Amino acid sequence: GAVVSQHPSRVICKSGTSVKIECRSLDFQATTMFWYRQFPKQSLMLMATSNEGSKATYEQGVEKDKFLINHASLTLSTLTVTSAHPEDSSFYICSAPIAGGGNEQFFGPGTRLTVL
Amino acid sequence: DAKTTQPPSMDCAEGRAANLPCNHSTISGNEYVYWYRQIHSQGPQYIIHGLKNNETNEMASLIITEDRKSSTLILPHATLRDTAVYYCIVGWGGYQKVTFGTGTKLQVIP
Repeated sequence: GAVVSQHPSRVICKSGTSVKIECRSLDFQATTMFWYRQFPKQSLMLMATSNEGSKATYEQGVEKDKFLINHASLTLSTLTVTSAHPEDSSFYICSAPIAGGGNEQFFGPGTRLTVL
Repeated sequence: DAKTTQPPSMDCAEGRAANLPCNHSTISGNEYVYWYRQIHSQGPQYIIHGLKNNETNEMASLIITEDRKSSTLILPHATLRDTAVYYCIVGWGGYQKVTFGTGTKLQVIP
């Protein structure tokens, strides 16, 4: 199957700093990518839809100025958590469908963010 | 997207078949049934999907009732590596966003 990577896999930062998480489709092009957040013992919650060449679409309740999304190319989307606080500590996961492929989504391995 | 209902947890003996049910009574005519699983601290993994007919691949089988209001994911010979949270999702797939429910936590027991 298709491969989606994320970098970094783990990051620890101080409160008030910004953290950038990369999501790459390694062997296919992804005009659309999705970003999820998962708190311990909870399900995945969709944060936003990242679209190559246009603005991201955010889910209700997700602050677009805090979670900046840039879909710079057909293989890369980045999520920047600005002015991170301890409550932003979570597992962030991206996914992408294959253009012209089947209906399934391919998920990255996730990024564990810990804000001290 | 239609809502799904799954049991919160299930146990299965290693080597036996694991049958995971899912109710999706509000599914619309052109929505697919998808199954994903998430092993602890990893990203979800696609398992299988179907529209009306039963489907089988190297990982599992998917049985969809004739009225499409429910389905069952079957892992024919569960192993310890199959311990995970299994999510049943209905939707149009592709570029449509995926909404996760709470899933079923499957524990495979030695």
